[in-house]
Amino acid sequence: AQSVTQLDSHVSVSEGTPVLLRCNYSSSYSPSLFWYVQHPNKGLQLLLKYTSAATLVKGINGFEAEFKKSETSFHLTKPSAHMSDAAEYFCVVSEGSQGNLIFGKGTKLSVKP
Amino acid sequence: DAMVIQNPRYQVTQFGKPVTLSCSQTLNHNVMYWYQQKSSQAPKLLFHYYDKDFNNEADTPDNFQSRRPNTSFCFLDIRSPGLGDAAMYLCATSGKLEGALDYGYTFGSGTRLTVV
Repeated sequence: AQSVTQLDSHVSVSEGTPVLLRCNYSSSYSPSLFWYVQHPNKGLQLLLKYTSAATLVKGINGFEAEFKKSETSFHLTKPSAHMSDAAEYFCVVSEGSQGNLIFGKGTKLSVKP
Repeated sequence: DAMVIQNPRYQVTQFGKPVTLSCSQTLNHNVMYWYQQKSSQAPKLLFHYYDKDFNNEADTPDNFQSRRPNTSFCFLDIRSPGLGDAAMYLCATSGKLEGALDYGYTFGSGTRLTVV
């Protein structure tokens, strides 16, 4: 069975400092992995996805994530946080190309001025 | 733009009064999903359609039903809403995006349901 664990429920950073949101996954097959962002009262926006191509995936708004099979991790990073990055972030796994999406519990990112 | 559209954006219904949420897509994707997202929680899959084949998650209450009359439309029916059904309901599709080699998922903006 597949699952996703987001290791931090809340991360707080200062504007201009790096962001690290941690995610570990469990999957029996070759997974597809995603990071989605959700601003308050908004829908989900895809930041980036990994589908067995390059292990370092670049996404929108300066975010990137690295797939590490040996560590079963897919951590999300950004070199410099902006105030507009404050939101909820979900790590998501899917088995196969159109498998159901399994969401982690989310990490709330706060950005202090 | 091709997209997934959910109507209405906000829905208020009375306790026990049936309510229907709608989702339409212009992507011609073969798979459509309904997720329930309660406050400060992750989205939870209720069910999905693979073409006309309906797939219900084991823990989805019987109070929730769905219809997909054609490729473009999918409806979520809540037969007797309770206070615990207040949530954001997200519709999503999956399929090949135009010009893409692989499959992608597209989410609608959601319908926020309030039960009074």
